[in-house]
Amino acid sequence: RKEVEQDPGPFNVPEGATVAFNCTYSNSASQSFFWYRQDCRKEPKLLMSVYSSGNEDGRFTAQLNRASQYISLLIRDSKLSDSATYLCAVNRGGTYKYIFGTGTRLKVLA
Amino acid sequence: DTAVSQTPKYLVTQMGNDKSIKCEQNLGHDTMYWYKQDSKKFLKIMFSYNNKELIINETVPNRFSPKSPDKAHLNLHINSLELGDSAVYFCASSLRAAGAQYFGPGTRLLVL
Repeated sequence: RKEVEQDPGPFNVPEGATVAFNCTYSNSASQSFFWYRQDCRKEPKLLMSVYSSGNEDGRFTAQLNRASQYISLLIRDSKLSDSATYLCAVNRGGTYKYIFGTGTRLKVLA
Repeated sequence: DTAVSQTPKYLVTQMGNDKSIKCEQNLGHDTMYWYKQDSKKFLKIMFSYNNKELIINETVPNRFSPKSPDKAHLNLHINSLELGDSAVYFCASSLRAAGAQYFGPGTRLLVL
């Protein structure tokens, strides 16, 4: 079993839809969690850090469920420009090691 | 101003050659990393450096040798390139351990 797992998708959704992705992790010592967005042939860009209490940034909401060991990303009112691959990243217990998921591909359709 | 920069953007070379990739960050971060993203888009950490010191070496062949002359720079030298080294190499930095990482634009390496 991979340490960090994501559904690869693609998730095809119409503009304006709400879409959610999950990312599960297996190491209970994981402490820091992040969502990144990666466009085709570009570098991963930090979308948001995920805090224990959950956090929101505009149309994006991130949640952490430590009991079930997953993080989630909710995108409301999807835009065409949200089409990208969304990577989750997990850091093991305050170390310098990050494990990335393989990404979930989102296509927002007109 | 680019926060994390890498050169070159593209590198096409023959098997057996030696090549280097340079990375610089102007964010004032203490920690820098090298990642490899293969054709299946899997992003895997190779090295972590904190304040010029190697912290993590993720079972990378010793043909790969990182060097950090100062905490703003982390270069990657690859000896005796192999076909399987073809990938995109990303440099990243973070303020501290477990902090959010910021990535450079990547270096696309193609070994023929």
